Amino acid sequence: EIVMTQSPATLSVSPGERATLSCRASQSVGSNLAWYQQKPGQAPRLLIYGASTRATGIPARFSGSGSGTEFTLTISSLQSEDSATYYCQQSYSPPLTFGGGTKVEIK
Amino acid sequence: QITLKESGPTLVKPTQTLTLTCTFSGFSLSTSGVGVGWIRQPPGKALEWLALIYWDDDKRYSPSLKSRLTITKDTSKNQVVLTMTNMDPVDTATYYCAHSTHIAFDYWGQGTLVTVSS
Repeated sequence: EIVMTQSPATLSVSPGERATLSCRASQSVGSNLAWYQQKPGQAPRLLIYGASTRATGIPARFSGSGSGTEFTLTISSLQSEDSATYYCQQSYSPPLTFGGGTKVEIK
Repeated sequence: QITLKESGPTLVKPTQTLTLTCTFSGFSLSTSGVGVGWIRQPPGKALEWLALIYWDDDKRYSPSLKSRLTITKDTSKNQVVLTMTNMDPVDTATYYCAHSTHIAFDYWGQGTLVTVSS
């Protein structure tokens, strides 16, 4: 089973600043990595797939990068509505696995 | 427009079997490459993938729960059913179904909270 590790667990960022979230896989997943945003009481929403492709309707301030075992989600200019928990997930090999999440707070 | 909705009991007793139904629209589970998965989330915790069924009836399960899970599809009804046996209080969670294209879960249901308690 591929273990996904996210860091940090919590990130506090001022509005307009950059937020950088990390996700590490225990073995290579190629580019088979997705990022999701989840707000309290809501279902997750797909942000990024294929490590770097934005899903439909996702603002350009969200970008993904990386391949193999190291991945990054960047929010270039944090908005108040970006306060949420973000999860990475590998689709390279079953069992599909999620990271533990990074909670982004607005400072 | 793709939509999915979970349905099933909100409360089950320990040792009982849980049956959840995902009813969807906007796509067909007979289309090549399409799948429907189940993911759960205990209160305040992270997402956990449970099972996935593909258009060709290929089924995948979480190894840690495989002995307790069964996923089936009814293409004519646009439904996917997940059964989980021998429920325990630790299985208390919000259960989501989601549309999958081998790449990611791009559409999610609203989720249904299942509480396991006597």
